[in-house]
Amino acid sequence: EPEVTQTPSHQVTQMGQEVILRCVPISNHLYFYWYRQILGQKVEFLVSFYNNEISEKSEIFDDQFSVERPDGSNFTLKIRSTKLEDSAMYFCASSGRASRETQYFGPGTRLLVL
Amino acid sequence: QKEVEQNSGPLSVPEGAIASLNCTYSDRGSQSFFWYRQYSGKSPELIMFIYSNGDKEDGRFTAQLNKASQYVSLLIRDSQPSDSATYLCAVTGNEKLTFGTGTRLTIIP
Repeated sequence: EPEVTQTPSHQVTQMGQEVILRCVPISNHLYFYWYRQILGQKVEFLVSFYNNEISEKSEIFDDQFSVERPDGSNFTLKIRSTKLEDSAMYFCASSGRASRETQYFGPGTRLLVL
Repeated sequence: QKEVEQNSGPLSVPEGAIASLNCTYSDRGSQSFFWYRQYSGKSPELIMFIYSNGDKEDGRFTAQLNKASQYVSLLIRDSQPSDSATYLCAVTGNEKLTFGTGTRLTIIP
């Protein structure tokens, strides 16, 4: 069964460093998303991406964040200068044309900023 | 502010019984409703979605939607210990999913 994959599974970084989180969405899906979940809190929407551009972003997704689809399979989230409060699980999700709202999540990247 | 509310639990249910999970939402424009299961330290796993008022059954799971009351529920029949997890309610009117905080369910053998 096709699934969303994410790398790395864990990332530890120093405050102020740049990190890139990688995702490979389900192959025939067209809509891509990033969410995050701070420990003990709810899953929060960051950004949605379609047709090589951002279609919606939340207030969390400020200038420190960017997304890119550098090739036909990868979808990345870059955090330019990490802050302590960026420590969270980051989930990539994707959905297909037939059911755009039905999103399937990857296993997540646990980011720890020290 | 669009909100999704769930009782955080924990909800304890004996094995073999019916577990009932509830969710309310504030945005009347919401059109699609989802239940995800999340094991500790893992990602949300889609288990049910519902778009229309009424009931939708899939195996041991039944989702119920009442748009007039802005209420979604999930019933799990013949609960198993493997059903012990946090259940997340999510709603959407466009693209982004808005999640509740989740209800922690424990099935007692």
